[in-house]
Amino acid sequence: DTEVTQTPKHLVMGMTNKKSLKCEQHMGHRAMYWYKQKAKKPPELMFVYSYEKLSINESVPSRFSPECPNSSLLNLHLHALQPEDSALYLCASSHSRQGRASGNTIYFGEGSWLTVV
Amino acid sequence: GESVGLHLPTLSVQEGDNSIINCAYSNSASDYFIWYKQESGKGPQFIIDIRSNMDKRQGQRVTVLLNKTVKHLSLQIAATQPGDSAVYFCAERAGNASKIIFGSGTRLSIQP
Repeated sequence: DTEVTQTPKHLVMGMTNKKSLKCEQHMGHRAMYWYKQKAKKPPELMFVYSYEKLSINESVPSRFSPECPNSSLLNLHLHALQPEDSALYLCASSHSRQGRASGNTIYFGEGSWLTVV
Repeated sequence: GESVGLHLPTLSVQEGDNSIINCAYSNSASDYFIWYKQESGKGPQFIIDIRSNMDKRQGQRVTVLLNKTVKHLSLQIAATQPGDSAVYFCAERAGNASKIIFGSGTRLSIQP
């Protein structure tokens, strides 16, 4: 069982809605990640937080807004999404060293299935 | 059974046989590699990792081999079981980057 918990497991939202995905870990990890995964494709990195600061944004559209309220929590705020944004959104965490994610492995949650209608 | 991830995305093996899943990477600066297993409807699950200063690492029923000369990574699963059916991804981290990038994946199918 994963120690990274994501809620909700499933979300259906309209293109004008505002919703949020939530992620929590209690492994003491200081690096947290959001990945997006389309069917039959590998996960694609969206954002990396290290010590609660955004360190990487992979040119993600502004309709996705990440937030890291504390070392255990990571949110992804969603607004004005498009149907092509429907995907599995994966949160992950790892140890971090000197302000950047180290060579330690990253552990994934089970993901939030998002459908935009 | 053996596969090359980019050209044979599906690998079918008999239960009890050994499986070999291959992965080619392109970034010579990558210094850390991970294999993940992803079952249908679930998130990726860590299997085994290896740093670039090693060429082999063994776990329980799994072995990862790294050949930096040809930038090739493989995952060997011994005595494949039905529960091994999944998509397997290799992932890499470039030396100074904070991000793990995934390869395209290989589906492992177990025949009874």
